Amino acid sequence: AQSVTQLDSQVPVFEEAPVELRCNYSSSVSVYLFWYVQYPNQGLQLLLKYLSGSTLVKGINGFEAEFNKSQTSFHLRKPSVHISDTAEYFCAVSDLGDSNYQLIWGAGTKLIIKP
Amino acid sequence: DAGITQSPRHKVTETGTPVTLRCHQTENHRYMYWYRQDPGHGLRLIHYSYGVKDTDKGEVSDGYSVSRSKTEDFLLTLESATSSQTSVYFCAISVSAGAGTDTQYFGPGTRLTVL
Repeated sequence: AQSVTQLDSQVPVFEEAPVELRCNYSSSVSVYLFWYVQYPNQGLQLLLKYLSGSTLVKGINGFEAEFNKSQTSFHLRKPSVHISDTAEYFCAVSDLGDSNYQLIWGAGTKLIIKP
Repeated sequence: DAGITQSPRHKVTETGTPVTLRCHQTENHRYMYWYRQDPGHGLRLIHYSYGVKDTDKGEVSDGYSVSRSKTEDFLLTLESATSSQTSVYFCAISVSAGAGTDTQYFGPGTRLTVL
């Protein structure tokens, strides 16, 4: 069964520094990959997704992620973070061919921006 | 904005009482999902629906039931609430993203406390 691991539960980083949030999934079958962001006391918002094509995916708010099939990873990056990026970030995976479009979720990574 | 509302947004109830949470969508999407979110667990699927009166269990369905009598409404019922069901509950819909898959969009959540 598919599983998703977000390697860091919290990532503290100084404002304007680069950040990488790591996500690995277990199964090597074809997958679709998603990153969602949850700001404090809010619902989840789609940040970006990989369905096919270029392995570098750009999302909202300056975030991007790179799909690496050989390493079964989909790490999220931003070259310069802002205080407004403080949030929890979730990686999710959907197996190709799952007719019910179910997502398997990571446990989340809290991004803490230090002034 | 995917047109998803959840009601109530906050609820405090006592152990043993029944509770029903409502998810309403305005765009006639076929797939709807109920998740619970707990610290350290990410999102866990409770039940999902793939059409009117068509529902199936998710990962953590024990103690929960669902109903979908209309396309736009998906109800989650806790027959006899327990303290372990204290959580934040999110409803999601699935919107076609092309390439044979969908993207999930989330409601604002319901914070449920069972005393």
